[in-house]
Amino acid sequence: QQQVKQSPQSLIVQKGGISIINCAYENTAFDYFPWYQQFPGKGPALLIAIRPDVSEKKEGRFTISFNKSAKQFSLHIMDSQPGDSATYFCAASSDTGRRALTFGSGTRLQVQP
Amino acid sequence: NAGVTQTPKFRVLKTGQSMTLLCAQDMNHEYMYWYRQDPGMGLRLIHYSVGEGTTAKGEVPDGYNVSRLKKQNFLLGLESAAPSQTSVYFCASSRDGGSYEQYFGPGTRLTVT
Repeated sequence: QQQVKQSPQSLIVQKGGISIINCAYENTAFDYFPWYQQFPGKGPALLIAIRPDVSEKKEGRFTISFNKSAKQFSLHIMDSQPGDSATYFCAASSDTGRRALTFGSGTRLQVQP
Repeated sequence: NAGVTQTPKFRVLKTGQSMTLLCAQDMNHEYMYWYRQDPGMGLRLIHYSVGEGTTAKGEVPDGYNVSRLKKQNFLLGLESAAPSQTSVYFCASSRDGGSYEQYFGPGTRLTVT
């Protein structure tokens, strides 16, 4: 059972455009929702994260929008750059799960120059 | 600080062979995790540890064993490798249960023929 569903599987965006990746979760015990960025041959690295007590968090060009009632959250990348080309994973964790991450299936983003 | 390191980086095994993957962290973190990454499936938790001498099963533990004899090391063992264990393995650590961010190693690419 996939507890975190991520879409789209792949995304092509022009330089300067907005990239949007969506995730939905099922487990209401989740209380931490990070996004990880992964470049080929590297391990995932934390990009930005949100707790459910806020509906939006912004760090530079990256914004998480969170909808607790719909159990959905999304990543927006403004002014997308070729250097943003990577695979993005949403994830979720809970205290009862000892903070182990449940990951979405990933989105391969390609930003064309 | 080296952060999280993994040994080896690549390995090819024949079906039935055994091996141990080593994860080491120099951040004095209490929690450590082993994940496997397969195409289209994101990362899935194999086993985790919340402190020296403790281990627990994750989502996909079958065919793997782990040990945490020292706080800085977390070992993942395959007793009798199977082709289904062909994957990229990532180790991660976090400070403790109250710290949400996980730091990932560079991964080990394992092929079982």
